[in-house]
Amino acid sequence: AAGVIQSPRHLIKEKRETATLKCYPIPRHDTVYWYQQGPGQDPQFLISFYEKMQSDKGSIPDRFSAQQFSDYHSELNMSSLELGDSALYFCASSLDGGETDTQYFGPGTRLTVL
Amino acid sequence: AQKVTQAQTEISVVEKEDVTLDCVYETRDTTYYLFWYKQPPSGELVFLIRRNSFDEQNEISGRYSWNFQKSTSSFNFTITASQVVDSAVYFCALSEAESGGYNKLIFGAGTRLAVHP
Repeated sequence: AAGVIQSPRHLIKEKRETATLKCYPIPRHDTVYWYQQGPGQDPQFLISFYEKMQSDKGSIPDRFSAQQFSDYHSELNMSSLELGDSALYFCASSLDGGETDTQYFGPGTRLTVL
Repeated sequence: AQKVTQAQTEISVVEKEDVTLDCVYETRDTTYYLFWYKQPPSGELVFLIRRNSFDEQNEISGRYSWNFQKSTSSFNFTITASQVVDSAVYFCALSEAESGGYNKLIFGAGTRLAVHP
């Protein structure tokens, strides 16, 4: 079965640079979530989209923005990167965000900021 | 406010031992969902189970079983006859249906399980 695809899998950036992370949800899934997991920590919710509209927002820095496109893929844009942004970024997708459903996670993008 | 507590930071067992991972949650909603995810050393998050707040029936799937008790706000996970491949970090998570928020997951801190041969 098709899973959530994230690209790139690894990314190395310098401080103050920008980064774009991409997420391709499971086919027919209409909701996408982004989570950030720091070293040794639990995943923290950043933002979610349902049918291409932002549906919820967590502790996402103003330097980050995201959107969901017409084909339901999503991109997380990160600017003015800081050392503390180094983390594993997960995308998850689910079907029908109107009621709780199971979120399936992608393999994650490991971002290292030097 | 919603909260998930996994008091066991690390557990170490020998293969074939049974092990129970504890999860205690807090929520004001009457409708909510509980999840367990597994994160092996490779890093991905693997869905294991979802349980809604109206279904207190325990579930067994192979060597895995889950015990949901609303009276104690707990959703514990037991691995029977553990194997080395069970070594991973296990996260318990909560999602609330009434507070809005379109189902964001609130994770516990995770329990690192090490199964030794």
